[in-house]
Amino acid sequence: DAKTTQPTSMDCAEGRAANLPCNHSTISGNEYVYWYRQIHSQGPQYIIHGLKNNETNEMASLIITEDRKSSTLILPHATLRDTAVYYCIVRGLIQGAQKLVFGQGTRLTINP
Amino acid sequence: EAGVAQSPRYKIIEKRQSVAFWCNPISGHATLYWYQQILGQGPKLLIQFQNNGVVDDSQLPKDRFSAERLKGVDSTLKIQPAKLEDSAVYLCASRSVVGGNYNEQFFGPGTRLTVL
Repeated sequence: DAKTTQPTSMDCAEGRAANLPCNHSTISGNEYVYWYRQIHSQGPQYIIHGLKNNETNEMASLIITEDRKSSTLILPHATLRDTAVYYCIVRGLIQGAQKLVFGQGTRLTINP
Repeated sequence: EAGVAQSPRYKIIEKRQSVAFWCNPISGHATLYWYQQILGQGPKLLIQFQNNGVVDDSQLPKDRFSAERLKGVDSTLKIQPAKLEDSAVYLCASRSVVGGNYNEQFFGPGTRLTVL
């Protein structure tokens, strides 16, 4: 699986958009970008995934650059409950390459 | 729908003792995973089941860890004997294979193990 690089920590004011970057320069053509988050003392929670087009759901938006070497997760109106560790993961879909390999993630703190 | 259930939530044992964790996945999810999460790190996959068969156990320390999913539903993870470095949160996750391979994993709350 391709390795991802994320900032160790970020801060964001409540009500503002939180933009979390991720670099995945060695991503291959059949690998998707997944984002999970882990709130303190809970298991990770799926947020969103994408291949090459921008994606949006009720939780967040995912912007993937045209060369697919980086992406940004956007939480449009961050709340205190969005404080968590956010993991960017590159995952293949072919049999045997479907596992999630978690890095250190970005610790996002939403400040009141 | 009910989420992934795990028990116990917390366990404290002394080194060289044995311990077992239980996981009940979301109904109908064929794929089940066990992860180990050491404090300050991301989760690390220990073993993946597809129904009752092992798909990937390459990172399972087989000299002391074992896992089973006999009927393709519930699963248990056992450590015998435990070492200090096994102190971690053990997470269970499940995934449906219906609809495609991009389906997300659903995680349980985890079992926090402390080895003294």
